[in-house]
Amino acid sequence: AQSVTQLGSHVSVSEGALVLLRCNYSSSVPPYLFWYVQYPNQGLQLLLKYTSAATLVKGINGFEAEFKKSETSFHLTKPSAHMSDAAEYFCAVSEGSNYKLTFGKGTLLTVNP
Amino acid sequence: IAGITQAPTSQILAAGRRMTLRCTQDMRHNAMYWYRQDLGLGLRLIHYSNTAGTTGKGEVPDGYSVSRANTDDFPLTLASAVPSQTSVYFCASRQAGWYNEQFFGPGTRLTVL
Repeated sequence: AQSVTQLGSHVSVSEGALVLLRCNYSSSVPPYLFWYVQYPNQGLQLLLKYTSAATLVKGINGFEAEFKKSETSFHLTKPSAHMSDAAEYFCAVSEGSNYKLTFGKGTLLTVNP
Repeated sequence: IAGITQAPTSQILAAGRRMTLRCTQDMRHNAMYWYRQDLGLGLRLIHYSNTAGTTGKGEVPDGYSVSRANTDDFPLTLASAVPSQTSVYFCASRQAGWYNEQFFGPGTRLTVL
């Protein structure tokens, strides 16, 4: 079965600093990977997804993620944090033909002025 | 606006009572899902349905039941609520295909006393 590990339940950065949120996965088949963002008191919305077309994936709000098969990683980055990026971020892996997603436990991003 | 609606937005319920959380999508997606979100535990899958007329158990199905009579609706029922079912519940839907993301509703905040 697939699994996802998000390193760091809480990441704090200064406004303008690099954002790096880590995600490692395990999968017995080529994975499809997703990053979601959840703002307070809202549902999850898709930031970006990896579907094997390109290893560097660009998403909304200036975020991008790079798929590294050798490291089984799909880390999320943004060059310069903005206050509005403060939210919880979830990495997920597609679990094959039954259409299920397996989510990591989430990383709460705090952006300090 | 296309998307997923959930009702109620929030509910306080006495233990032992029966409760049905409603979920409707208008995107004609094949698959639908129910998750619960608890602090520190991320999103855990309760039940899912790959297509109308079929359902399956997720990671934490005990105490919950679902039905999928048609494509659009996927209600979640708590037959006899217990305090440990206090949580935020999210409904999601997805079109068939390994690479397709899930779309999430706004959530229902349930408190069982």
